Amino acid sequence: GIQVEQSPPDLILQEGANSTLRCNFSDSVNNLQWFHQNPWGQLINLFYIPSGTKQNGRLSATTVATERYSLLYISSSQTTDSGVYFCAVGTFGNEKLTFGTGTRLTIIP
Amino acid sequence: DAGVTQSPTHLIKTRGQQVTLRCSPKSGHDTVSWYQQALGQGPQFIFQYYEEEERQRGNFPDRFSGHQFPNYSSELNVNALLLGDSALYLCASSLNFGQGSTEAFFGQGTRLTVV
Repeated sequence: GIQVEQSPPDLILQEGANSTLRCNFSDSVNNLQWFHQNPWGQLINLFYIPSGTKQNGRLSATTVATERYSLLYISSSQTTDSGVYFCAVGTFGNEKLTFGTGTRLTIIP
Repeated sequence: DAGVTQSPTHLIKTRGQQVTLRCSPKSGHDTVSWYQQALGQGPQFIFQYYEEEERQRGNFPDRFSGHQFPNYSSELNVNALLLGDSALYLCASSLNFGQGSTEAFFGQGTRLTVV
């Protein structure tokens, strides 16, 4: 099956800093989603981005499908951005999402 | 617009018992998927239900079974519970377009502890 790798595994930043999270995948995809998992376990949808670039406030994401990677950018980090960020992908003819191992982001006041 | 809702939020069971978890999909969605997330790991796909049938299954034993009702809500049943079944169980809903996975929205999860 498809392999999904996220980097870095852990990231600690001061409030106000910018960060870039990366997701590499091993096959063509027709679905790519970025999630933020809050401390209570809920997965919050950030972006549905199988290709191209999207922005939502301080967050933006870019997926280069031909090179099999996606990037999540967080600017001017706030403490509420802390948590685990997951990338999940789906492939053609396959109903499931395959998740990466996540990036744990900690924002220090 | 109600999102995906799951019940219960927390559950403690004894080894060997059976458990049923419930999920109501986001309004307008017709497909429900279940995932298991062990501590420190990403969610793993259990199975997906569409038109009241299991459409795809992940690498989970037959002790894990499910059901989808005509109103698209779903249940996950786990029999003969093992300590290793302790995890966060997540339900996701989506809309079927017949071309593989589409944007999924997740519930808040049910945290199952087996003692």
